[in-house]
Amino acid sequence: GESVGLHLPTLSVQEGDNSIINCAYSNSASDYFIWYKQESGKGPQFIIDIRSNMDKRQGQRVTVLLNKTVKHLSLQIAATQPGDSAVYFCAETSGSARQLTFGSGTQLTVLP
Amino acid sequence: GAGVSQSPSNKVTEKGKDVELRCDPISGHTALYWYRQSLGQGLEFLIYFQGNSAPDKSGLPSDRFSAERTGGSVSTLTIQRTQQEDSAVYLCASSPLGTAGGYTFGSGTRLTVV
Repeated sequence: GESVGLHLPTLSVQEGDNSIINCAYSNSASDYFIWYKQESGKGPQFIIDIRSNMDKRQGQRVTVLLNKTVKHLSLQIAATQPGDSAVYFCAETSGSARQLTFGSGTQLTVLP
Repeated sequence: GAGVSQSPSNKVTEKGKDVELRCDPISGHTALYWYRQSLGQGLEFLIYFQGNSAPDKSGLPSDRFSAERTGGSVSTLTIQRTQQEDSAVYLCASSPLGTAGGYTFGSGTRLTVV
């Protein structure tokens, strides 16, 4: 079946550096994408979303880029902080579906 | 409440026993979802409730799994005759919308079947 996956299962970055987390999706019908952050023992927390009619969206210290040609999504975190250490998931859905399809996650570790 | 509340937070049960997991969504949220997260994995969709419509049960892995949502609010996920492969974190989310997006997740119930 179609799925959403991540290129790198783990990512370590120095505090203050920028982080880039990548995600590939295979469902060409997907038109809405979300990034979630999950800290240990907690449920996933919404970070940022993007619709397929956009290729870039910015939030506070975070930017999501969408490349529909190669079905690729990325999350950029600027000036990474220790509190950013968590597992990051991308998720996708199409307009007619109600549930999200999640990737397997990337563990981001921020080094002091 | 201010967020999605799930109980218990942890549950250890013996193989073959039945368990009930509870989800109390955000007041006014019409949509409620159950997901399962196995160790080191992404989230697997189980079931979706929207208002008074028939639930979407397409993600339930077997007939041992069932869920109810009473009065359009609290939901209970029941697993009968638990197996070791049922061990996972069970996450509930609610949304004010009828489609994906705008989810708020609870902290989950960690189920361990021994």
